[in-house]
Amino acid sequence: AQRVTQPEKLLSVFKGAPVELKCNYSYSGSPELFWYVQYSRQRLQLLLRHISRESIKGFTADLNKGETSFHLKKPFAQEEDSAMYYCALSTPGNTPLVFGKGTRLSVIA
Amino acid sequence: EAGVTQFPSHSVIEKGQTVTLRCDPISGHDNLYWYRRVMGKEIKFLLHFVKESKQDESGMPNNRFLAERTGGTYSTLKVQPAELEDSGVYFCASRDGTAGNTIYFGEGSWLTVV
Repeated sequence: AQRVTQPEKLLSVFKGAPVELKCNYSYSGSPELFWYVQYSRQRLQLLLRHISRESIKGFTADLNKGETSFHLKKPFAQEEDSAMYYCALSTPGNTPLVFGKGTRLSVIA
Repeated sequence: EAGVTQFPSHSVIEKGQTVTLRCDPISGHDNLYWYRRVMGKEIKFLLHFVKESKQDESGMPNNRFLAERTGGTYSTLKVQPAELEDSGVYFCASRDGTAGNTIYFGEGSWLTVV
């Protein structure tokens, strides 16, 4: 069965510091990986997906199949980045997302 | 365009009572998903509708949970009778029929069973 692991429950960084939210997955095939974010009092929304290979709000994530990882990175954290971040995996076909437990990012001024 | 809407946003019920959660997906989205997050745990898949048909209900925890999507539009998720461990946030999400398209989530229905 597919699994997504986010080892950090809470990550606190200072404004301007680099951020890395870790995500590892287990799946033997070719998954599609996503990062979802939930800001305070807002709904869960897609931040980025690995197939897009784009940077959203300064965040990037690279799929490393060798390490089965999809870590989310940002070089300089901003206070508005404080939120709950979920890594998720989807397998080929019309399959539901499998989520990690989430990491709460707190950016301190 | 209206997003995925869920009702109620919060519900507090006693153990043994019944609660029905409603989800209105984005208009035209054939795929509708229910997920749940209980305290301290990951967001877990419950079931997936394609139009009015249950495509996958492997995540439904037990037979106290009943989901319907009559007519392929809105969906309801009924918990009867509710137990303490059912407390959590129930998310609904929808996606159109194109593979790979973004899944849009509702704000969630917070259920507290006391």
